[in-house]
Order: sequence, then structure tokens, then C-alpha cells
Amino acid sequence: GAVVSQHPSWVICKSGTSVKIECRSLDFQATTMFWYRQFPKQSLMLMATSNEGSKATYEQGVEKDKFLINHASLTLSTLTVTSAHPEDSSFYICSAFPLRLTNYGYTFGSGTRLTVV
Amino acid sequence: AQSVTQLDSQVPVFEEAPVELRCNYSSSVSVYLFWYVQYPNQGLQLLLKYLSGSTLVKGINGFEAEFNKSQTSFHLRKPSVHISDTAEYFCAVSPSTGGYNKLIFGAGTRLAVHP
Repeated sequence: GAVVSQHPSWVICKSGTSVKIECRSLDFQATTMFWYRQFPKQSLMLMATSNEGSKATYEQGVEKDKFLINHASLTLSTLTVTSAHPEDSSFYICSAFPLRLTNYGYTFGSGTRLTVV
Repeated sequence: AQSVTQLDSQVPVFEEAPVELRCNYSSSVSVYLFWYVQYPNQGLQLLLKYLSGSTLVKGINGFEAEFNKSQTSFHLRKPSVHISDTAEYFCAVSPSTGGYNKLIFGAGTRLAVHP
């Protein structure tokens, strides 16, 4: 149980275009999802906390207008990288927290590698 | 605020040897502690977690960790490693109160198992 599906697993886009990444909880409901960014050989940096039915909470230094987060249902959160530039190339990972705290823990998606050319 | 320090960025070890990956944390409140493993181009898989109770926690793939409150440590150990254990390992903490708290990650330790 507690599976998180992230799509796409990799994407290449042209500079100036927008890219949408989906994060779905397959067998549980998640009122809260987290979006992380990971640069090569570095740790995960939290970008934002996605809350179902309300605005996302962004970490300091993360541009909310560039990284649009939508959490429209209890099983889906999306991250849209708008007007992407090469410096946005990175590995993006989502994480979901099950609604039921019966087995406290975070489940991670398999990640999306974004390359902006 | 919380912070996590993983003291070794890389740990080379021979197959079937024991290994310890070190993790220290700093927090003004009680925390939950986690170890995750990441294989190349993949997400994170939970190895084990400490929420409360016994300070010795056993996880998947033969890993275990011990919570030491006085030393604010949560070191990961395995008595005999395999080639397949080669991966990046992350220690993480989150406050133990308040519901859905964000995870704070350490910088990671790359475990390289050699034949």
C-alpha cells in the first residue's frame, strides 16, 4: 500500500515552454503532498507543500509564479514549471502523506528528470 | 528548526563487510527519524524509521539503526553488505508534533560496495 505515481519519469523541453509534472497517490488519499528538487549528487530540497483545496506553501527562495502547484483532489497534485530555462533542469520528486496516520510515513514518487534545452 | 548532518559524503566498503553510515541531527523539539535509500534516477525508498519506543530499529534489506537521544544520533548499520546495496542513503527528520510536517534531509552518503 501507499504507492505514489509520478509522471512523466523524464521530459525534455525547449527553453521558454512550460512543463507539467503529475503526482498521484494510487491507493490512499493525501491532503498534503510535498515537492522536492534534487540537483546532481545533492540532497533533496523542499520546494513547496501542496495542500488539497488551498494554496501551496512555498519555501523561502522558491518562485511561486514559476513553479505552479495545484492540488485539486485528494489523489492528485501537479507541478508546472513555467517558462522553463536551462537552470530549471533538475530531478523533481513528489512525496505524499497518507490521510490516515496509521503508519506514519512519507511515500515518494519515482521522480521526474527535467532537461531544458 | 531542525537540521541533519551526515558526516560522510562517501563510504567505500568491500562486499560482505560491515558498514555504518553516520547521522546526527539538531532540533529543539522531539523528532521522528528516517533513513531512505535512493538508486540512480529513482525516488526514495524508506529503509526504516524511529517514531518512539525501542531505540534499536530494524528495517528492510538487513539494515538497522539506533536512536541515541543524548548524542542526537541515528546511525545506520548493516553487518554484511552486498553489491546491490550500492546507492545513496539519506537521513531525515521531522518534528513529531503538528501532523503533516516536512522532512528535513541530510546531504546524503554514497555507499559504494566493491567486490
